[in-house]
Amino acid sequence: ETGVTQTPRHLVMGMTNKKSLKCEQHLGHNAMYWYKQSAKKPLELMFVYNFKEQTENNSVPSRFSPECPNSSHLFLHLHTLQPEDSALYLCASSPNLGRRSYEQYFGPGTRLTVT
Amino acid sequence: AQSVTQPDIHITVSEGASLELRCNYSYGATPYLFWYVQSPGQGLQLLLKYFSGDTLVQGIKGFEAEFKRSQSSFNLRKPSVHWSDAAEYFCAVGERPSNTGKLIFGQGTTLQVKP
Repeated sequence: ETGVTQTPRHLVMGMTNKKSLKCEQHLGHNAMYWYKQSAKKPLELMFVYNFKEQTENNSVPSRFSPECPNSSHLFLHLHTLQPEDSALYLCASSPNLGRRSYEQYFGPGTRLTVT
Repeated sequence: AQSVTQPDIHITVSEGASLELRCNYSYGATPYLFWYVQSPGQGLQLLLKYFSGDTLVQGIKGFEAEFKRSQSSFNLRKPSVHWSDAAEYFCAVGERPSNTGKLIFGQGTTLQVKP
């Protein structure tokens, strides 16, 4: 039990659909992250939020839209995705305390398939 | 720019044998270094970390890693592997000096354990 939950665990969507991924952390952290994990590629950081404010957008296409209403919840809104967006999307959280920000706790991920 | 290389994509060891997973990084100053493990169907879990000081660091599950500045390496070791250690292992460097929590991951090494 890592204290970070993600729903749904699996999602299949068409290219014209709109869906959202949800992440919730119960660790009292103030920083939250979205990562994309594709086969045969390193984990890619997508977005970083500190105290609900976005501090990093790693050149992510606008068809991915994050939302962080509070320090415990993080969403990733998806619309008009492409098949190459199929991947495992991981959420993580960490203390917002200097180098401790690198000590991240990950959820189990949402396996997304775009058809 | 900082980068991480894990030269071995796949390693197989016998249960009870010793293990060493290689990691090389690229960064001009002292890096922040991490090893994470991902078991099938799960998110990543932090095994150990290096910020400064003693170059041999101990982690969870009996793992250790040694920082060698002269070789730009941070190899992960375990003296006796258990079948439950079968997983994917990721080396990462924390982007500095910003301390924003941005982790740069290697491509990962998949560990298979033979009975």
